[in-house]
Amino acid sequence: SQTIHQWPATLVQPVGSPLSLECTVEGTSNPNLYWYRQAAGRGLQLLFYSVGIGQISSEVPQNLSASRPQDRQFILSSKKLLLSDSGFYLCAWSVSGAYYGYTFGSGTRLTVV
Amino acid sequence: QQQVKQSPQSLIVQKGGISIINCAYENTAFDYFPWYQQFPGKGPALLIAIRPDVSEKKEGRFTISFNKSAKQFSLHIMDSQPGDSATYFCAAGDSNYQLIWGAGTKLIIKP
Repeated sequence: SQTIHQWPATLVQPVGSPLSLECTVEGTSNPNLYWYRQAAGRGLQLLFYSVGIGQISSEVPQNLSASRPQDRQFILSSKKLLLSDSGFYLCAWSVSGAYYGYTFGSGTRLTVV
Repeated sequence: QQQVKQSPQSLIVQKGGISIINCAYENTAFDYFPWYQQFPGKGPALLIAIRPDVSEKKEGRFTISFNKSAKQFSLHIMDSQPGDSATYFCAAGDSNYQLIWGAGTKLIIKP
């Protein structure tokens, strides 16, 4: 069966510090991968998605970047965090070319102080 | 045209009552309509989904009603329980297999 792992679960970082959040998927190959951000009490904002290694589409211009160094690994990064980067970050995956298996990870709560 | 409009933003229902959340879309090319349930501090999880070739799908206490001509679909939770208290998101799938999300509904079931 397929599983998605996302870590860390919580993170407190000072303004101006770098960020690296990692997401990995097991039990499937060539998945579509997604990064979402959810502000407190708000909806799901798609940040990046990837249909293959090295292929990243950005939905919202911002202080963040994403990379996919391996087929089932998706990384969200920032060189210098802003207060506005605080939020709940969710990784998700889906079967390539289908809606099926659109599954979210457990999320990372990021607080920038 | 890519938007999915979800209402209400929040909903309070008595235990045992029926919870109804509505979504509307414009793009007639959408062909997959899932509902996700999210508990605090967790990622959303697929609850139930429907394709536009059927008007209703039921799984236990959860039912999706789909009105293709009106471009609307809704989630009905029968005999709502306190454990159903969560945020619910509707979505619509486009031709690129991307999901377009509604803004979410915070549901509170009062015991």
